[in-house]
Amino acid sequence: GDSVTQMEGPVTLSEEAFLTINCTYTATGYPSLFWYVQYPGEGLQLLLKATKADDKGSNKGFEATYRKETTSFHLEKGSVQVSDSAVYFCALSRDTNAGKSTFGDGTTLTVKP
Amino acid sequence: DAGVIQSPRHEVTEMGQEVTLRCKPISGHDYLFWYRQTMMRGLELLIYFNNNVPIDDSGMPEDRFSAKMPNASFSTLKIQPSEPRDSAVYFCASSWDRTAGELFFGEGSRLTVL
Repeated sequence: GDSVTQMEGPVTLSEEAFLTINCTYTATGYPSLFWYVQYPGEGLQLLLKATKADDKGSNKGFEATYRKETTSFHLEKGSVQVSDSAVYFCALSRDTNAGKSTFGDGTTLTVKP
Repeated sequence: DAGVIQSPRHEVTEMGQEVTLRCKPISGHDYLFWYRQTMMRGLELLIYFNNNVPIDDSGMPEDRFSAKMPNASFSTLKIQPSEPRDSAVYFCASSWDRTAGELFFGEGSRLTVL
């Protein structure tokens, strides 16, 4: 079956540091890939997505590139801020699952001033 | 445009009581999902509907849990009787685009069973 494996957390960085959160997946076919972010006390919200190989999703300074050859979708940001402290979830979705998504376990990021 | 609306935001109840969580999806979305989030188990899909019909309820923990979607704008998740291990945050999410699969989440209902 489908699976998503995320870099284990928690991750603690200083403000303005470079961020990478690794995500790899297992799925047949050509899934769409997503990063969701969950701020404290809130629901998950879409951060960025990519629907085909070599696509780059980007939003709020975050980027991730759909790498089919390595089945990866690593999240990066060049300079994190305290306000980026949150839990980040990698996820995939396949047409044949009729909308059902598979989520990673989430990675908690804390950014210190 | 209003997002996914869940109620109540917080519920504290005693073991054995019935709990009903409610969800209003985004208008026009034809998929609705119920998730449960705990520290121990992370984010778990409980059940999802397409056009008001339950498609996959394999994640529902046991017979104490039931979910309904009587129309396109309303769904309920019921726990009867509730147990302390049901304490969690329950999220409802909706989606309209099967190809992209993007989910829109509500803010969650935090359930505490004493």
